[in-house]
Amino acid sequence: GQNIDQPTEMTATEGAIVQINCTYQTSGFNGLFWYQQHAGEAPTFLSYNVLDGLEEKGRFSSFLSRSKGYSYLLLKELQMKDSASYLCAALDTGRRALTFGSGTRLQVQP
Amino acid sequence: DVKVTQSSRYLVKRTGEKVFLECVQDMDHENMFWYRQDPGLGLRLIYFSYDVKMKEKGDIPEGYSVSREKKERFSLILESASTNQTSMYLCASSRLAGGLGGELFFGEGSRLTVL
Repeated sequence: GQNIDQPTEMTATEGAIVQINCTYQTSGFNGLFWYQQHAGEAPTFLSYNVLDGLEEKGRFSSFLSRSKGYSYLLLKELQMKDSASYLCAALDTGRRALTFGSGTRLQVQP
Repeated sequence: DVKVTQSSRYLVKRTGEKVFLECVQDMDHENMFWYRQDPGLGLRLIYFSYDVKMKEKGDIPEGYSVSREKKERFSLILESASTNQTSMYLCASSRLAGGLGGELFFGEGSRLTVL
């Protein structure tokens, strides 16, 4: 089975940097995904990591350490529109579907 | 762009009713999924399908069934709705089962209330 943990809520200031952590335990690991979900909307794909290291995509970066079962999503130059929930999801080699964490609700303040 | 369409945004049903939630995707994706989303519990996988007429149980299949008669359509069925099935239901599809093509494209969601 899988267990995925991430903080429930975070608050940050516009223009700042925020790091959202995710730890996972899987019987076999085959990739980690991050999604963004604005209130009342569907989740949308942000990033994918399967190898150790940092993947950068504009203001958003995602990091993975397979040996530690750890990932983080880094958001730079925060904007008000970044206020949303951020969902961490892992893919187990034993199944063909993602398992999601409970999500981290990020509030960006002026 | 991939479009995943769910038939109803909001439904209100009574306990014991049979409920159908329909989902259609227009990008010829092999894989389709049904999740439910509840506060504090995140997204939980109900059923998924990786081919027409194929289905696999997710983490919480009890009380649900699914149908995939055509590649583009994946239906979730609540045989006898109960109040604990009040939730947001999200349908998703993906091109691949894993890897970079395994990212999910979600529909807008169907908020079901069972009275």
